[in-house]
Amino acid sequence: QKEVEQNSGPLSVPEGAIASLNCTYSDRGSQSFFWYRQYSGKSPELIMFIYSNGDKEDGRFTAQLNKASQYVSLLIRDSQPSDSATYLCASEADDYKLSFGAGTTVTVRA
Amino acid sequence: DAGITQSPRHKVTETGTPVTLRCHQTENHRYMYWYRQDPGHGLRLIHYSYGVKDTDKGEVSDGYSVSRSKTEDFLLTLESATSSQTSVYFCAISGSRGASGGNTGELFFGEGSRLTVL
Repeated sequence: QKEVEQNSGPLSVPEGAIASLNCTYSDRGSQSFFWYRQYSGKSPELIMFIYSNGDKEDGRFTAQLNKASQYVSLLIRDSQPSDSATYLCASEADDYKLSFGAGTTVTVRA
Repeated sequence: DAGITQSPRHKVTETGTPVTLRCHQTENHRYMYWYRQDPGHGLRLIHYSYGVKDTDKGEVSDGYSVSRSKTEDFLLTLESATSSQTSVYFCAISGSRGASGGNTGELFFGEGSRLTVL
């Protein structure tokens, strides 16, 4: 079983809608969670990280963490065509290594 | 942009030949990583380094070796390339600084090296 699982895509949303991305992890020792965005042909870049249970908001992005359910999510509000990308969820345990999910590709329709 | 450069950016080689990919950083970060990215698998860790001459295996290390003789350089070697090693390889450094700096967990990635093994 892969350590980090993401909901299968691709996900297509109309411009202005909310895109919801989900991720589950298997290692209960994981402490930190990250969302990376990767445009086609480019390298991943960090957009959000979360350590504590609950919600964390940064502009149009909200990350949610529920350690009891081993669940992490990312909401993109007011989706824009520039949000079209692949979103990678990652978890980190104590050993400074990130485990990544396979990614969810989001397409925002104008 | 984090100062990370990968070379070569593109390489085509034949099965059985050795290949070395180079990652160079100018950020003095302690931790460096090599990932490969394949469709349907996301990013998978090959090897990582937590200091000069200190390296460890990741989840897909078979067929790969690494070396780190200087803080700024992390080399990934395929001793005898196989078609299954056709992939995009990303080097990454962590959000930390200095020889004893802690790791924030945030990774900064290089631009990637696309390797094709025929």
